[in-house]
This record gives sequence, C-alpha cells and structure tokens, in this order.
Amino acid sequence: KQEVTQIPAALSVPEGENLVLNCSFTDSAIYNLQWFRQDPGKGLTSLLLIQSSQREQTSGRLNASLDKSSGRSTLYIAASQPGDSATYLCAVNPNGAAGNKLTFGGGTRVLVKP
Amino acid sequence: NAGVTQTPKFRVLKTGQSMTLLCAQDMNHEYMYWYRQDPGMGLRLIHYSVGEGTTAKGEVPDGYNVSRLKKQNFLLGLESAAPSQTSVYFCASSYSATGRQPQHFGDGTRLSIL
Repeated sequence: KQEVTQIPAALSVPEGENLVLNCSFTDSAIYNLQWFRQDPGKGLTSLLLIQSSQREQTSGRLNASLDKSSGRSTLYIAASQPGDSATYLCAVNPNGAAGNKLTFGGGTRVLVKP
Repeated sequence: NAGVTQTPKFRVLKTGQSMTLLCAQDMNHEYMYWYRQDPGMGLRLIHYSVGEGTTAKGEVPDGYNVSRLKKQNFLLGLESAAPSQTSVYFCASSYSATGRQPQHFGDGTRLSIL
C-alpha cells in the first residue's frame, strides 16, 4: 500500500527565506505527483503536477523536483512572502487508469513571518 | 467561474440522522471524487466516479453512498450518521482519464455529528 509522508509537519521562516518542503512515498511506481496548497477553511489549489517521466516542474517562484527511484519530491518556494503561509500537501497518483485516485501526505503547515 | 461548488458549507447532525452532500462542477469534467479530511489522517478517498451513471469505492467507503445521475453532480449520502463521520468533506473533479490534468477541489463541507 502506498504511503506518503511529509516532514516536518510545520515550518516557520522569516520573510525572504527560501522554503524547502519534502514529500516521500514508499512505492516508486507512480504515474505522477501533485503539490497542492490549502488555506485555512478552504479547499485545495493545485500548484504543480509532475509526470513520472519528468524530473522537475516550475511555475514562477515555485519549483518541484521528483526522484522516483528514491521516492522523494521536493517543493522549493523562492523568496518566501507572508502570503505563502498555508498548508502544502503532496499527493501521488499510482496509475493513470480508472480515474486519478490520489494518495495524500499529511501536509506541511508553513508560516512566513514578516 | 464557479468551478467546484459544495453545499452545504456547514452542518450539524445528531447520531442516526441522514443527509446528502451535493457537489456540482461546471467544467464538464468526467471524473469526480469525494474525500474526507481528518487531523493526523490527511485526505482519504471515500468514493469516486469515472462518468455519469458510474460510481466506485475508494479507501474508506463504509457508511457512505454516492450517486452520479448527472455528469455535473456528485452526491454523497450518509444514511445513519455516526460521530466517527465528523470531518471535513471535499469534492473534487478532473478532466483527464490519464491523470495528466490536476484535480480541482471545492471549499469543503464541515460536518459535525453529535
């Protein structure tokens, strides 16, 4: 059974510092991996989706890397801002068939202090 | 642009009562999903649908039923609510059968069972 872990569960950094968020998964046979952001009382917003054949994806200040063989993905957020404060979740898709069934990590709660 | 809309946003039930949570999407997505989010457990898939008229069990289906009579709507029912079903419920939808497109989430329904 696939297990997804995000450590640490919470992180606090001063504004301007780069954020590094970790995600590990036990079964390397994944189809893709997705990073989400969740604000308090809100749903999840997709940030980046990395296919299993890709090593990284970038969007603005966000960069996500994927190392399937070691079962790891890292989300980098450059020059953090208070508006980046949220919970970040990663999720893996085991295969592309029968719907996009995702297995989620527990999330990392980020606080960026002004 | 509405995206994924969940109703109601909040609800308090007594043990044994029944209710239906409604999810509506206006993106013409084939795939729809119901998750529950609990502290320390992350998001877990309850049921999902790969198209109008179809439903399938996810990771934690017991105590829930679903229906997808129309492509844009996915209903989650609790026939006899139990305190263990106190949770935040999220609906999501996606377009791609191959998982190449991200899932889009609603803002959630916060359900308390007394």
